[in-house]
Amino acid sequence: DTGVSQDPRHKITKRGQNVTFRCDPISEHNRLYWYRQTLGQGPEFLTYFQNEAQLEKSRLLSDRFSAERPKGSFSTLEIQRTEQGDSAMYLCASSPFRGPPGEQYFGPGTRLTVT
Amino acid sequence: LAKTTQPISMDSYEGQEVNITCSHNNIATNDYITWYQQFPSQGPRFIIQGYKTKVTNEVASLFIPADRKSSTLSLPRVSLSDTAVYYCLVGDPDDKIIFGKGTRLHILP
Repeated sequence: DTGVSQDPRHKITKRGQNVTFRCDPISEHNRLYWYRQTLGQGPEFLTYFQNEAQLEKSRLLSDRFSAERPKGSFSTLEIQRTEQGDSAMYLCASSPFRGPPGEQYFGPGTRLTVT
Repeated sequence: LAKTTQPISMDSYEGQEVNITCSHNNIATNDYITWYQQFPSQGPRFIIQGYKTKVTNEVASLFIPADRKSSTLSLPRVSLSDTAVYYCLVGDPDDKIIFGKGTRLHILP
């Protein structure tokens, strides 16, 4: 399977703990995106990378959130000092730089539960 | 980024054609119209995209009138497996995409 993969698929953590999620995009996709989705809502944009450069961050991405894509391949999203409001599905997507406009390939997501 | 308005939910029956209309009155010249489908506990999946007139692929058709202020996603002969949330997105292809709440389509036997 050469689609976008995310790890872990599920994470349960206690409030105040740090968590890190990983996303492996489709190989050769230059762009990588992170979204957050809560129940009944559409995905909310968090940030995106073109290669290793983080080009845009949403205001939703507080100081407790940080994302990296060190070599322009996989990416990590870290949440420090988790809060119950961080409970959500975290989705990663990738797209080729010169691919069809607006077409992103999503991974299965990481479901985070903060207790 | 143009705001979109689409029905919150729709019901239909197996074998019927389903049309979901999306309004985007403030669409800009550079904006494309894109539709995604999302099943529970999965990431969204790209269905179709267009700029004007009609686009058809193996999954759906997208109808866009000349003024581009609305668009209609058409799903031919739906089955139970088409039950999902459908998102209409409008934006510059080089910009981030913004999802609304989508349309929850429920297909009945």
